[in-house]
Amino acid sequence: DIQMTQSPSSLSASVGDRVTITCRASQSISSYLNWYQQKPGKAPKLLIYAASILQSGVPSRFSGSGSGTDFTLTISSLQPEDFATYYCQQSYSIPYTFGQGTKLEIK
Amino acid sequence: QVQLQESGPGLVKPSQTLSLTCTVSGGSISSGSYYWSWIRQPAGKGLEWIGRIYTSGSTNYNPSLKSRVTISVDTSKNHFSLKLSSVTAADTAVYYCARGLYSSGWFYFDYWGQGTLVTVSS
Repeated sequence: DIQMTQSPSSLSASVGDRVTITCRASQSISSYLNWYQQKPGKAPKLLIYAASILQSGVPSRFSGSGSGTDFTLTISSLQPEDFATYYCQQSYSIPYTFGQGTKLEIK
Repeated sequence: QVQLQESGPGLVKPSQTLSLTCTVSGGSISSGSYYWSWIRQPAGKGLEWIGRIYTSGSTNYNPSLKSRVTISVDTSKNHFSLKLSSVTAADTAVYYCARGLYSSGWFYFDYWGQGTLVTVSS
């Protein structure tokens, strides 16, 4: 299985801050990397697929980059509704695997 | 707008079989090139992909669960189902159904159900 490791596991930031979350794959996955946002008690929501393609309806302050084994999710200017947990997920091979999550909290 | 809704018992006894159904509304489960998946999340933990079924009936399972998992689809009822046998407390989790698709070769989950908590306890 491909292991996905996110860093940091948690992060405190303020509204308006620029935030970057990192995801590393245990082997090369090309650009087969998706990002999801999950709020408490809710299902994950797709933000970005193919490492950098913004899902329809997702605000442009979200962006993704990377290929191979190293990827980043950036939020350019944090909004109150962005405080949530973020997961990366590889779709390069089955079984699909997720990172352990990064919890973004209000400072 | 596609919607997915999980249903099934919230409490299952150890060694028994967990059975859940995901009903799809707002579109036919057999139209398009979609892969219908089950994903679970133990309380306070991360997400684990369980498996998926294509509308043709072909399946892929997570090897860690393969011996205990069956996913099936009923196109006449527009739903798909999960059966997980010989459950233990480690199978206690929120279970999500999700729609997966390939877009220009990229695979991702674009619609999810709200999730249903299944507790394994005697």
